[in-house]
Amino acid sequence: GAVVSQHPSWVICKSGTSVKIECRSLDFQATTMFWYRQFPKQSLMLMATSNEGSKATYEQGVEKDKFLINHASLTLSTLTVTSAHPEDSSFYICSASLFDGLYEQYFGPGTRLTVT
Amino acid sequence: AQSVTQPDIHITVSEGASLELRCNYSYGATPYLFWYVQSPGQGLQLLLKYFSGDTLVQGIKGFEAEFKRSQSSFNLRKPSVHWSDAAEYFCAVGNTDKLIFGTGTRLQVFP
Repeated sequence: GAVVSQHPSWVICKSGTSVKIECRSLDFQATTMFWYRQFPKQSLMLMATSNEGSKATYEQGVEKDKFLINHASLTLSTLTVTSAHPEDSSFYICSASLFDGLYEQYFGPGTRLTVT
Repeated sequence: AQSVTQPDIHITVSEGASLELRCNYSYGATPYLFWYVQSPGQGLQLLLKYFSGDTLVQGIKGFEAEFKRSQSSFNLRKPSVHWSDAAEYFCAVGNTDKLIFGTGTRLQVFP
């Protein structure tokens, strides 16, 4: 149980275009989903927290207009990187929160974004 | 400030040897502590977690960790490492709505 999927697993896009990444909780409903960014050989940095039906809460330094997050249902959150540039190339990981006595985060496999 | 420190960036061990990965944290309240493993191209898999109670926590794949409040540490251990344990290991501290990750320790296992 508690499986989280991401699609696509790898995407290449041209500079200036937008790309959407989906995060789905497959076997549970997640009130809260999180989006992280991981640079090579570095830790995960929380970008934003999204609650179903509400606007996402972005961490300091994360551009809201560049990284659009939509959490339309209890099983789906999307991250859209708008007007992508090479510096947006990174590994994006989502997680979904499940309450089992206490809230725990279950992580998706990640999406590798390369902007050329 | 809340933070997690993993002092060892890279550790190399021989298969069958014991392993200890260090994790120190700074957190204002009682922490929830986690260890995750990330294999190349994979998402994070939870190895074990500590919320309260017994300070020695057993996890999957034969891993255990000990919470030492006086030392603000949550070190991960395994008595005998297998080649398949080669991966990146992350310690994290947090609460219900936010996790703070360490920078990770890359484990390399030699046959």
